[in-house]
Amino acid sequence: AQSVTQLGSHVSVSEGALVLLRCNYSSSVPPYLFWYVQYPNQGLQLLLKYTTGATLVKGINGFEAEFKKSETSFHLTKPSAHMSDAAEYFCAVTTRSGYSTLTFGKGTMLLVSP
Amino acid sequence: DTAVSQTPKYLVTQMGNDKSIKCEQNLGHDTMYWYKQDSKKFLKIMFSYNNKELIINETVPNRFSPKSPDKAHLNLHINSLELGDSAVYFCASSLEGTGASYEQYFGPGTRLTVT
Repeated sequence: AQSVTQLGSHVSVSEGALVLLRCNYSSSVPPYLFWYVQYPNQGLQLLLKYTTGATLVKGINGFEAEFKKSETSFHLTKPSAHMSDAAEYFCAVTTRSGYSTLTFGKGTMLLVSP
Repeated sequence: DTAVSQTPKYLVTQMGNDKSIKCEQNLGHDTMYWYKQDSKKFLKIMFSYNNKELIINETVPNRFSPKSPDKAHLNLHINSLELGDSAVYFCASSLEGTGASYEQYFGPGTRLTVT
């Protein structure tokens, strides 16, 4: 079984500040990890993914995440927040045992103040 | 040229009614999914189809019946709607066969409100 824990249902930052959204996973086999963003009243958009290879992955809109196996973490970062980054962010995990069922974390709402 | 589309976007109906939601993807993917997002934004898989074959059926009331007429379409029919069915339903698709990319692409969602 796999699971995802996102620490903090809400994270508030000032525009220009560092964004750090935390994600820890549990998986009995090597995981594939994803971050999705959901803007109000919209679907989920893939930000970035880790499958194999380089553990630091870069995504869209200046976001990146680092897979740390020893810490079972996949935290999402962005050096400088923009107002347009305000949204709900979801971390998700899947494995390659059978068909890929995505298990989502409960989401973190990122609030950006001027 | 929307990748994953759903209709309708909003659906308001009364308890006891039957309704359907349609999903289409033009990405050439072989696997499609239905997710339910509750009022707390929690996303949970409901069903998954691979090449028109049902492969995942989570603990969902049998009032919910998915149908996949072909690889590009996955519909969701809901009988005898209940208040607790109110949620946002998302369709998604992915490529699981040769050249699998593992990520899932989501539609814009259908907001179902049962009164």
